[in-house]
Amino acid sequence: EVVLTQSPGTLSLSPGERATFSCRASQNISSAYLAWFQHKTGQAPSLLIFGVSNRASGVADRFSGSGYGTDFSVTINRLEPEDFAVYYCHQFGISPPSFGQGTKVEFK
Amino acid sequence: EAQLVQSGAEVKKPGDSLKISCQASGYSFSTYWIGWVRQMPGKGLEWMGIIYPGDSDSRYNPSFQGQVTFSVDKSINTAYLQWSGLRASDTGMYYCARPKDVGQYGAFDIWGQGTMVIVSS
Repeated sequence: EVVLTQSPGTLSLSPGERATFSCRASQNISSAYLAWFQHKTGQAPSLLIFGVSNRASGVADRFSGSGYGTDFSVTINRLEPEDFAVYYCHQFGISPPSFGQGTKVEFK
Repeated sequence: EAQLVQSGAEVKKPGDSLKISCQASGYSFSTYWIGWVRQMPGKGLEWMGIIYPGDSDSRYNPSFQGQVTFSVDKSINTAYLQWSGLRASDTGMYYCARPKDVGQYGAFDIWGQGTMVIVSS
């Protein structure tokens, strides 16, 4: 099983600041099969980024993804109040698919 | 608009059986895999497995193999997740989800609202 390790576990930031968090895979992952989800309390998760760097429909352009091989990251430029949530990386190129443990972006 | 609607919350006792549902609308149900994702209280997301409604082909995460069963009823565009003997450790929120693209097992872009399952004596 591919283990995805996210860092940091928690990011404490203020609106307007930049957030960057990472995901390291225990094996090489094809870029086509690496995605990110945003999960707000009380809601279902939502697809944020697919194929490492492609924003899902309706996702603001302040979100960007990058990475290759085993190291991937997401940057949120100018945090908005609605961006405070938990973010999960997800690989589905090697069975079984797996999620990282999550990075919580919280209000400072 | 593609949508997944799940059945309501359940409170069960250890050893009970349970079947929760996920009804699809707004797209061709038989064409896309349907995945199941668990979130235990205070924990992260876990990929349980996936089923292809077209022929009921199922792929289970080894961690869940033998513990749950996936099924579908194509006549009512509904997928099911069932347990034959619940344990307290099955307590959690269960989501069904549809991948963004035909033929994929992940990058879920359509999610059900979740079904909370509580198992307690």
